Amino acid sequence: GESVGLHLPTLSVQEGDNSIINCAYSNSASDYFIWYKQESGKGPQFIIDIRSNMDKRQGQRVTVLLNKTVKHLSLQIAATQPGDSAVYFCAETPGSARQLTFGSGTQLTVLP
Amino acid sequence: DTEVTQTPKHLVMGMTNKKSLKCEQHMGHRAMYWYKQKAKKPPELMFVYSYEKLSINESVPSRFSPECPNSSLLNLHLHALQPEDSALYLCASSQVASAGLYEQYFGPGTRLTVT
Repeated sequence: GESVGLHLPTLSVQEGDNSIINCAYSNSASDYFIWYKQESGKGPQFIIDIRSNMDKRQGQRVTVLLNKTVKHLSLQIAATQPGDSAVYFCAETPGSARQLTFGSGTQLTVLP
Repeated sequence: DTEVTQTPKHLVMGMTNKKSLKCEQHMGHRAMYWYKQKAKKPPELMFVYSYEKLSINESVPSRFSPECPNSSLLNLHLHALQPEDSALYLCASSQVASAGLYEQYFGPGTRLTVT
């Protein structure tokens, strides 16, 4: 079956630097993508989403980029802070289906 | 109110017990979900309810029985579970995707341990 995957399982960055978390997806029918942050002992928290008719969307300190040609999604976090340390999941869903498929996750660690 | 609440936070049960997990949201969402998450793994979809009707069952064993008594509540009834069912059980809700697609809001989860 088709799946969503991440390039790197772990990422360490210095506080104040920018972070980039990547995600590859294989379902060409996917038209909605979400990034979630999950801190230890908590449920996933919505960060930002993007629809397939866009290639970039910005939020507060976060930017999501979508490259449909190579089926690649990335999350950029500006001026990374200790509170950003968490596991980040990308998720996708095709068409009108409500089934989210999650990638395997990236553990982001912010170093002081 | 953008909160999904789940009770209990922790549950320890024996393999012969019957217990229930509860989920509640007051955002007016008409789609609700149960996910199972093992340690260091992504959430895996179990069930989807749309307008209080079960619309998706991802081949979940019958020892897990979902129930949606009204548009704000979602239960997961547990019976005769196995130790490998120990996991974090997450509830989520969203608007129903019709013309658009909407993010799912997750609760904090119930940490279930089967002994």
